[in-house]
Amino acid sequence: AQTVTQSQPEMSVQEAETVTLSCTYDTSENNYYLFWYKQPPSRQMILVIRQEAYKQQNATENRFSVNFQKAAKSFSLKISDSQLGDTAMYFCAFGNTGNQFYFGTGTSLTVIP
Amino acid sequence: SQTIHQWPATLVQPVGSPLSLECTVEGTSNPNLYWYRQAAGRGLQLLFYSVGIGQISSEVPQNLSASRPQDRQFILSSKKLLLSDSGFYLCAWSVRSQGTYYEQYFGPGTRLTVT
Repeated sequence: AQTVTQSQPEMSVQEAETVTLSCTYDTSENNYYLFWYKQPPSRQMILVIRQEAYKQQNATENRFSVNFQKAAKSFSLKISDSQLGDTAMYFCAFGNTGNQFYFGTGTSLTVIP
Repeated sequence: SQTIHQWPATLVQPVGSPLSLECTVEGTSNPNLYWYRQAAGRGLQLLFYSVGIGQISSEVPQNLSASRPQDRQFILSSKKLLLSDSGFYLCAWSVRSQGTYYEQYFGPGTRLTVT
């Protein structure tokens, strides 16, 4: 079975600074996909960024980027120039080719003005 | 564009009462559909997923059940609710993107309180 671990229950960052959220996963599969989702206080889950395991290049999406280390099974999210609207719960997720998705327990991020 | 609807948005039900939560997707065909539960301050627990009409896979044995009577409709049910069924229920759909992988999109959720 796949497991996703987020070891940082809570984090905070000053506005305009950079923060990195950690995620590790465990799988025996070779072809899979990784995602970061954001859940603001409205509780609407929003897809932030995705990474295919077969791609070595790290995904970027505006101020969001990932550091994907396949051998270490690590998938961290870096948020640059943090904004107040980034305050949310962030979930790391693993998806396989069998249409199954597994989520971590989340990291609550607070951006301090 | 695709949209996903869930209702009701909030629900308060007594222990032992039945439950029916509905999820519908617009703008796509033959989606994979999922039900998740999120307990307070916790992550997402996959309850059921479906790859087609009448095809349901259960991830966690419990007093909940799911059905998919139509291609874009997914229903979560219970005959008798337990206190432990309280939580935030999310419906999601996934689609193959760029021919290589799936990604999930979520509905607005239903907050269920069992009293």
